[in-house]
Amino acid sequence: AQTVTQSQPEMSVQEAETVTLSCTYDTSESDYYLFWYKQPPSRQMILVIRQEAYKQQNATENRFSVNFQKAAKSFSLKISDSQLGDAAMYFCAYRRPEYGNKLVFGAGTILRVKS
Amino acid sequence: DAGVTQSPTHLIKTRGQQVTLRCSPISGHKSVSWYQQVLGQGPQFIFQYYEKEERGRGNFPDRFSARQFPNYSSELNVNALLLGDSALYLCASSFTPGQAGENGYTFGSGTRLTVV
Repeated sequence: AQTVTQSQPEMSVQEAETVTLSCTYDTSESDYYLFWYKQPPSRQMILVIRQEAYKQQNATENRFSVNFQKAAKSFSLKISDSQLGDAAMYFCAYRRPEYGNKLVFGAGTILRVKS
Repeated sequence: DAGVTQSPTHLIKTRGQQVTLRCSPISGHKSVSWYQQVLGQGPQFIFQYYEKEERGRGNFPDRFSARQFPNYSSELNVNALLLGDSALYLCASSFTPGQAGENGYTFGSGTRLTVV
């Protein structure tokens, strides 16, 4: 069974600085998708960034980028120029591309942003 | 456009009771998934429905059931509630189950269920 591990229960970053959230996963599949979701106090899960395993290039979305290391099964999220609005719970998630397959989430990392 | 809407936002039930949670997907989305998020944990997959048929089921007891209607809205039912069923229940929609891999699901804000 696939598992997703987030080893950092909580992280803090100063406003305008950079922070990296870690995620590792376990799978025997070669083709899959990886996601980072943000969950603010409003509870809605918001997609931050996604990565397709067959693409070697790391995904980037504005201030958010990933470091995808397929052989190491590592998928970290880097947030640059951190803003107060980035404070939230961040979840790493995995999905196989087969029809109807589920998202497997990690336990999450709470990110606190200090002003 | 309205996002994924869930109702109610909060509810409190007593052990042994039954509860029904509702989800309306984004217009045009035909697939709905349900997740349970216990406090301090990541969401756990419960069900996925597409075109009114069950397409996936997580490791949950038979007390949990769901259905999807012709307008693609969905209900999650939980019978014989236990204290451990207290959680945030999230609904997510996509055009198809496979499309969720391209853009990810769009989630609602969830229903907070407290069992006392």
